[in-house]
Amino acid sequence: NAGVTQTPKFRVLKTGQSMTLLCAQDMNHEYMYWYRQDPGMGLRLIHYSVGEGTTAKGEVPDGYNVSRLKKQNFLLGLESAAPSQTSVYFCASSRSGSQFFGPGTRLTVL
Amino acid sequence: AQSVTQLDSQVPVFEEAPVELRCNYSSSVSVYLFWYVQYPNQGLQLLLKYLSGSTLVKGINGFEAEFNKSQTSFHLRKPSVHISDTAEYFCAVNSGGSNYKLTFGKGTLLTVNP
Repeated sequence: NAGVTQTPKFRVLKTGQSMTLLCAQDMNHEYMYWYRQDPGMGLRLIHYSVGEGTTAKGEVPDGYNVSRLKKQNFLLGLESAAPSQTSVYFCASSRSGSQFFGPGTRLTVL
Repeated sequence: AQSVTQLDSQVPVFEEAPVELRCNYSSSVSVYLFWYVQYPNQGLQLLLKYLSGSTLVKGINGFEAEFNKSQTSFHLRKPSVHISDTAEYFCAVNSGGSNYKLTFGKGTLLTVNP
C-alpha cells in the first residue's frame, strides 16, 4: 500500500496563477483533510471531507477550494495564488481517530 | 472550542539523557490525544495516541505519554534519547466529533546533541 500520496512535491507559482494539488489514499478511508504548515504555526486545517461528495471549511479556508469526487481523491485548488499562500501543504486521511499524512507539497508563490 | 499548548518551542538535550515534551490542552468534552513526529522534509508520523483506558500510553521508538485529566496534560517522555530522535514533535487533540478533526499545537523541536 502506498498510503497517502501527494502530487506535486514542489511547485513555484506567480501571483495570480491557479493550480490544483492532488491527494490520493488507498486505505479506503472516509475522512480526508488538507492542512498548511508554516514556521512556528503548527498545522492549520484548510478544508476537510467526511465522505465522497462532501466538503467542509476548516480553520483557514479563504483562498482555497476543494473537491472530493472520488472517495480516494481529495483535490485542493488555489484560484488566484497570493504570496501569503507560500507554505507546505499536507493531506491526511482517517477512518476513525488517527490521521495518516502524505509527504507534503512545498508551494512558493512569487 | 479546543486548543493545544506546547510549552516549549525548542528542547535541546544530550544523547542518552531523558526528555519530556510538554503538552496541555483545553476542551469542554472528552478528548482523544495524539503525538506526531516530523523528521526533516517529511510528513507527520503517528507516535502514540490516547483514546480511552490506561492513562499511560506507549508508542513507537521507546516514547510514552501520560494522560492527566485533572491537569489537562499529555506530556511525552523518553528515558534515553538518540541522535535519530532529532525531529519536531506535535501534540494534537480531537474532541470526539464525528469528523475526527484534529487541533495541533505549534510543535516542539527536539535536538539531540552528541
